[in-house]
Amino acid sequence: DAKTTQPPSMDCAEGRAANLPCNHSTISGNEYVYWYRQIHSQGPQYIIHGLKNNETNEMASLIITEDRKSSTLILPHATLRDTAVYYCIVALYTGRRALTFGSGTRLQVQP
Amino acid sequence: KAGVTQTPRYLIKTRGQQVTLSCSPISGHRSVSWYQQTPGQGLQFLFEYFSETQRNKGNFPGRFSGRQFSNSRSEMNVSTLELGDSALYLCASSLGTVVSDGYTFGSGTRLTVV
Repeated sequence: DAKTTQPPSMDCAEGRAANLPCNHSTISGNEYVYWYRQIHSQGPQYIIHGLKNNETNEMASLIITEDRKSSTLILPHATLRDTAVYYCIVALYTGRRALTFGSGTRLQVQP
Repeated sequence: KAGVTQTPRYLIKTRGQQVTLSCSPISGHRSVSWYQQTPGQGLQFLFEYFSETQRNKGNFPGRFSGRQFSNSRSEMNVSTLELGDSALYLCASSLGTVVSDGYTFGSGTRLTVV
Protein backbone atom coordinates (compact mmCIF):
# COMPACT_ATOMS: atom_id res chain seq x y z
CA ASP A 1 0.00 0.00 0.00
CA ALA A 2 1.11 3.56 -0.72
CA LYS A 3 2.42 5.53 2.22
CA THR A 4 0.72 8.68 3.37
CA THR A 5 2.04 11.85 4.94
CA GLN A 6 -0.05 13.97 7.27
CA PRO A 7 0.78 16.93 9.51
CA PRO A 8 1.10 15.73 13.11
CA SER A 9 -1.32 18.28 14.53
CA MET A 10 -3.78 21.00 13.60
CA ASP A 11 -6.05 23.40 15.44
CA CYS A 12 -9.45 24.60 14.32
CA ALA A 13 -11.97 26.99 15.82
CA GLU A 14 -15.36 25.56 16.68
CA GLY A 15 -17.90 26.23 13.94
CA ARG A 16 -15.24 26.74 11.28
CA ALA A 17 -14.27 24.30 8.56
CA ALA A 18 -11.43 21.93 9.34
CA ASN A 19 -9.29 21.04 6.33
CA LEU A 20 -7.01 18.10 6.89
CA PRO A 21 -4.43 17.44 4.16
CA CYS A 22 -2.85 14.15 3.16
CA ASN A 23 -0.09 13.43 0.68
CA HIS A 24 -0.02 10.06 -1.06
CA SER A 25 2.29 10.67 -3.99
CA THR A 26 2.94 6.97 -4.67
CA ILE A 27 -0.70 5.97 -4.87
CA SER A 28 -1.45 3.48 -7.64
CA GLY A 29 -4.39 3.58 -9.99
CA ASN A 30 -6.47 1.00 -8.17
CA GLU A 31 -5.92 2.30 -4.65
CA TYR A 32 -8.57 4.20 -2.77
CA VAL A 33 -8.15 6.94 -0.19
CA TYR A 34 -9.86 6.24 3.14
CA TRP A 35 -10.25 8.43 6.17
CA TYR A 36 -10.80 7.22 9.70
CA ARG A 37 -10.70 9.07 12.98
CA GLN A 38 -10.04 7.95 16.52
CA ILE A 39 -11.48 9.78 19.45
CA HIS A 40 -9.59 9.26 22.67
CA SER A 41 -10.02 5.77 24.16
CA GLN A 42 -12.31 4.61 21.36
CA GLY A 43 -11.78 2.49 18.28
CA PRO A 44 -11.25 4.19 14.91
CA GLN A 45 -14.36 5.38 13.13
CA TYR A 46 -14.78 5.22 9.36
CA ILE A 47 -15.45 8.64 7.82
CA ILE A 48 -15.31 8.51 4.04
CA HIS A 49 -13.45 7.08 1.08
CA GLY A 50 -12.90 7.87 -2.60
CA LEU A 51 -11.02 6.90 -5.74
CA LYS A 52 -10.70 10.02 -7.87
CA ASN A 53 -13.94 11.95 -7.63
CA ASN A 54 -14.80 14.25 -4.78
CA GLU A 55 -17.05 12.59 -2.25
CA THR A 56 -19.44 13.91 0.38
CA ASN A 57 -21.43 12.25 3.11
CA GLU A 58 -23.13 13.35 6.30
CA MET A 59 -19.84 13.55 8.14
CA ALA A 60 -17.38 15.11 5.75
CA SER A 61 -16.22 15.88 2.23
CA LEU A 62 -13.21 14.38 0.52
CA ILE A 63 -11.37 16.33 -2.15
CA ILE A 64 -8.85 14.36 -4.22
CA THR A 65 -6.53 16.21 -6.58
CA GLU A 66 -6.66 15.39 -10.25
CA ASP A 67 -3.28 13.63 -10.17
CA ARG A 68 -4.47 11.77 -7.03
CA LYS A 69 -1.24 12.52 -5.21
CA SER A 70 -2.95 14.34 -2.39
CA SER A 71 -6.33 14.76 -0.78
CA THR A 72 -8.10 16.91 1.79
CA LEU A 73 -10.71 15.89 4.30
CA ILE A 74 -13.12 18.70 5.09
CA LEU A 75 -15.24 18.86 8.21
CA PRO A 76 -17.55 21.74 7.27
CA HIS A 77 -18.50 22.94 10.73
CA ALA A 78 -16.15 21.50 13.31
CA THR A 79 -17.45 20.88 16.83
CA LEU A 80 -15.61 20.01 20.02
CA ARG A 81 -16.64 16.40 19.47
CA ASP A 82 -14.56 16.35 16.30
CA THR A 83 -11.38 16.56 18.37
CA ALA A 84 -9.60 13.33 17.43
CA VAL A 85 -6.72 11.78 15.54
CA TYR A 86 -7.52 11.60 11.83
CA TYR A 87 -5.94 8.90 9.70
CA CYS A 88 -5.57 9.00 5.94
CA ILE A 89 -5.13 5.50 4.52
CA VAL A 90 -4.51 4.31 1.00
CA ALA A 91 -5.64 0.79 0.23
CA LEU A 92 -6.80 -1.48 -2.52
CA TYR A 93 -10.54 -1.88 -3.02
CA THR A 94 -10.30 -5.65 -2.85
CA GLY A 95 -7.72 -8.21 -2.01
CA ARG A 96 -5.30 -7.27 0.73
CA ARG A 97 -7.53 -6.24 3.56
CA ALA A 98 -5.19 -4.87 6.16
CA LEU A 99 -5.40 -1.14 6.78
CA THR A 100 -2.03 0.51 7.27
CA PHE A 101 -2.47 3.32 9.76
CA GLY A 102 0.18 6.02 9.86
CA SER A 103 0.64 8.52 12.65
CA GLY A 104 -2.38 10.60 11.64
CA THR A 105 -3.21 14.23 12.38
CA ARG A 106 -4.31 15.21 15.84
CA LEU A 107 -7.07 17.77 15.32
CA GLN A 108 -7.86 19.97 18.29
CA VAL A 109 -11.09 21.94 17.95
CA GLN A 110 -10.92 25.04 20.10
CA PRO A 111 -14.02 26.65 21.69
CA LYS B 1 -28.16 -1.73 15.97
CA ALA B 2 -25.55 -3.14 18.32
CA GLY B 3 -21.96 -2.30 17.50
CA VAL B 4 -18.85 -4.41 17.73
CA THR B 5 -18.52 -5.79 21.23
CA GLN B 6 -15.18 -6.62 22.73
CA THR B 7 -14.69 -8.33 26.04
CA PRO B 8 -13.21 -7.80 28.48
CA ARG B 9 -12.57 -4.05 28.35
CA TYR B 10 -9.57 -4.21 30.65
CA LEU B 11 -7.24 -7.02 31.56
CA ILE B 12 -4.12 -7.35 33.67
CA LYS B 13 -1.91 -10.38 33.17
CA THR B 14 1.51 -11.53 34.32
CA ARG B 15 4.44 -12.20 32.03
CA GLY B 16 4.40 -15.77 30.76
CA GLN B 17 0.65 -16.16 31.04
CA GLN B 18 -1.70 -16.45 28.13
CA VAL B 19 -4.80 -14.45 27.36
CA THR B 20 -7.90 -14.79 25.19
CA LEU B 21 -9.80 -11.78 23.93
CA SER B 22 -13.26 -11.93 22.44
CA CYS B 23 -14.98 -9.98 19.69
CA SER B 24 -18.62 -10.12 18.62
CA PRO B 25 -19.11 -8.40 15.26
CA ILE B 26 -22.15 -6.49 14.10
CA SER B 27 -24.96 -8.85 13.21
CA GLY B 28 -24.59 -9.94 9.60
CA HIS B 29 -20.94 -9.00 9.36
CA ARG B 30 -18.79 -11.93 8.35
CA SER B 31 -15.34 -10.38 8.37
CA VAL B 32 -13.42 -9.72 11.58
CA SER B 33 -10.00 -8.11 11.80
CA TRP B 34 -7.75 -7.55 14.78
CA TYR B 35 -5.34 -4.66 15.38
CA GLN B 36 -2.86 -3.86 18.09
CA GLN B 37 -2.35 -0.26 19.16
CA THR B 38 0.65 0.88 21.18
CA PRO B 39 2.07 4.36 21.75
CA GLY B 40 5.29 3.42 20.01
CA GLN B 41 4.06 1.48 16.98
CA GLY B 42 0.59 2.91 16.50
CA LEU B 43 -2.12 0.76 14.97
CA GLN B 44 -0.84 -2.48 13.49
CA PHE B 45 -2.78 -5.19 11.70
CA LEU B 46 -2.76 -8.61 13.33
CA PHE B 47 -5.05 -10.79 11.23
CA GLU B 48 -8.36 -11.03 9.45
CA TYR B 49 -10.96 -13.77 9.36
CA PHE B 50 -13.81 -14.32 6.97
CA SER B 51 -16.21 -17.25 7.20
CA GLU B 52 -14.00 -18.97 9.77
CA THR B 53 -10.90 -18.77 7.54
CA GLN B 54 -7.88 -16.62 8.18
CA ARG B 55 -7.53 -14.45 5.07
CA ASN B 56 -4.61 -12.26 5.98
CA LYS B 57 -1.98 -12.09 8.68
CA GLY B 58 0.23 -9.26 9.86
CA ASN B 59 3.85 -9.40 10.91
CA PHE B 60 3.45 -10.72 14.44
CA PRO B 61 5.07 -13.74 16.09
CA GLY B 62 3.30 -17.06 16.31
CA ARG B 63 2.37 -16.34 19.94
CA PHE B 64 -0.49 -14.33 18.47
CA SER B 65 -3.28 -16.47 17.08
CA GLY B 66 -6.93 -16.20 16.40
CA ARG B 67 -10.00 -17.99 15.23
CA GLN B 68 -13.50 -17.30 14.06
CA PHE B 69 -16.60 -19.28 14.86
CA SER B 70 -19.56 -20.14 12.66
CA ASN B 71 -21.55 -17.26 14.15
CA SER B 72 -18.71 -14.89 13.10
CA ARG B 73 -17.60 -14.23 16.65
CA SER B 74 -13.84 -14.18 16.92
CA GLU B 75 -11.24 -14.74 19.56
CA MET B 76 -7.58 -13.90 19.62
CA ASN B 77 -5.07 -15.57 21.88
CA VAL B 78 -1.66 -14.42 23.00
CA SER B 79 0.53 -17.01 24.66
CA THR B 80 3.63 -16.51 26.78
CA LEU B 81 2.86 -12.86 27.37
CA GLU B 82 5.66 -10.32 27.28
CA LEU B 83 5.71 -6.81 28.70
CA GLY B 84 5.69 -5.46 25.16
CA ASP B 85 2.31 -7.06 24.53
CA SER B 86 0.71 -4.39 26.67
CA ALA B 87 -1.56 -2.59 24.25
CA LEU B 88 -5.06 -1.75 23.18
CA TYR B 89 -6.38 -4.61 21.07
CA LEU B 90 -9.04 -3.56 18.61
CA CYS B 91 -11.45 -5.69 16.67
CA ALA B 92 -13.12 -4.48 13.49
CA SER B 93 -15.94 -6.06 11.55
CA SER B 94 -17.25 -5.56 8.05
CA LEU B 95 -19.87 -7.07 5.80
CA GLY B 96 -17.67 -8.77 3.29
CA THR B 97 -14.28 -8.86 1.69
CA VAL B 98 -13.91 -5.47 0.11
CA VAL B 99 -12.31 -2.62 1.97
CA SER B 100 -15.01 -0.18 0.96
CA ASP B 101 -17.42 -2.07 3.17
CA GLY B 102 -16.12 0.22 5.87
CA TYR B 103 -14.75 -1.33 8.99
CA THR B 104 -16.60 -0.78 12.26
CA PHE B 105 -14.26 -0.94 15.20
CA GLY B 106 -15.03 -1.93 18.75
CA SER B 107 -13.81 0.05 21.75
CA GLY B 108 -11.02 -2.41 22.35
CA THR B 109 -9.55 -4.46 25.14
CA ARG B 110 -6.76 -2.79 27.05
CA LEU B 111 -4.25 -5.43 28.07
CA THR B 112 -1.61 -4.68 30.65
CA VAL B 113 1.18 -7.19 31.18
CA VAL B 114 3.07 -6.87 34.45
